[in-house]
Amino acid sequence: DAGVTQSPTHLIKTRGQQVTLRCSPKSGHDTVSWYQQALGQGPQFIFQYYEEEERQRGNFPDRFSGHQFPNYSSELNVNALLLGDSALYLCASAAQLNYGYTFGSGTRLTVV
Amino acid sequence: KNEVEQSPQNLTAQEGEFITINCSYSVGISALHWLQQHPGGGIVSLFMLSSGKKKHGRLIATINIQEKHSSLHITASHPRDSAVYICAVVLSADKLIFGTGTRLQVFP
Repeated sequence: DAGVTQSPTHLIKTRGQQVTLRCSPKSGHDTVSWYQQALGQGPQFIFQYYEEEERQRGNFPDRFSGHQFPNYSSELNVNALLLGDSALYLCASAAQLNYGYTFGSGTRLTVV
Repeated sequence: KNEVEQSPQNLTAQEGEFITINCSYSVGISALHWLQQHPGGGIVSLFMLSSGKKKHGRLIATINIQEKHSSLHITASHPRDSAVYICAVVLSADKLIFGTGTRLQVFP
């Protein structure tokens, strides 16, 4: 039973570019949350998707957007990349009304 | 003030020592996770608690809902336990808030 799969694992982008990160949730999970973890910090909540809609959003600018597909997989898009967007981006999935989260291994984004 | 506070921030131990990491929170929660993060980033969920105590191998997690406090204990610590341990609380509607983590190093 595959857990949460994130791709790519590492990515280097130039300031001003756009990036798309992908997440496939654990089988049986329908809720996907995205987190940004800067070096030495705890993860910060970006947003959560359920039933293909953004259900909650953290304190992140509109440059951060997402999408959930009918198969429950999700994408995180970041436009106009800034150096400060360099971080580990984590995806976590859960089954609705079940608080047990499963985390992916993350995508490490470096903006140069 | 952060809604989730962990202590200590950094912890070093000799192999075999008993280790305790504490987590205090200031919000109402549905559950609490203890997570382990190794270098490279992948996060593993160790425990999910809503009351009482759970044990898995050398790891024990407790939670006191009234005092809004949880602890993670590691008995007979080993160098492979070296990692960052993160406490995360579950608010309503499944939103997670993370602590900043405790960096544990266990030396042989």
